[in-house]
Amino acid sequence: DADVTQTPRNRITKTGKRIMLECSQTKGHDRMYWYRQDPGLGLRLIYYSFDVKDINKGEISDGYSVSRQAQAKFSLSLESAIPNQTALYFCATSDAGQGNNEKLFFGSGTQLSVL
Amino acid sequence: SQQGEEDPQALSIQEGENATMNCSYKTSINNLQWYRQNSGRGLVHLILIRSNEREKHSGRLRVTLDTSKKSSSLLITASRAADTASYFCATELYGNKLVFGAGTILRVKS
Repeated sequence: DADVTQTPRNRITKTGKRIMLECSQTKGHDRMYWYRQDPGLGLRLIYYSFDVKDINKGEISDGYSVSRQAQAKFSLSLESAIPNQTALYFCATSDAGQGNNEKLFFGSGTQLSVL
Repeated sequence: SQQGEEDPQALSIQEGENATMNCSYKTSINNLQWYRQNSGRGLVHLILIRSNEREKHSGRLRVTLDTSKKSSSLLITASRAADTASYFCATELYGNKLVFGAGTILRVKS
């Protein structure tokens, strides 16, 4: 049973389409994150949320938006997808807000291809 | 530019040998963590070392941290084919932001 679940696992879409990637967690963590991974560049932070009413931009937020619908759900949207948004996207959670270090728990990822 | 940079980018060794990966970073940190990623999967946390610690062990893993040189190393002893994966260092900056390096690809040949 996955603690951090991402859907879909794979998605192919066309330039200009709106795409939503979803993440849900059963770990009870307050903090949730969206990262993208590109070959040779490691993981880069897109957006993060420390609470339901808290949304923060990461280092590469342009072209993306997020919604924290509940403590357990954090979705990432690409309003108008472009080919250079082709990447592997990860959702992660953390319980750092509860006095712990920022150790992340990752979902299995969504491979997005924009044609 | 990356806060954390791993070296080497790729490493190929025989089963039973030790594997050493290095990570350098640029700014003061709260802690440094190592993660492992099997091909196309999510990252899994391996070990965390705080800025006031110099060495930490977990099973076959040994991590060192030298804050004066802003560097860390991850040693995997007696490597196994199942250790084949990408390994990432991540630095936790003050304010709880976690920044990842580009990773080291480790291949262990049986």
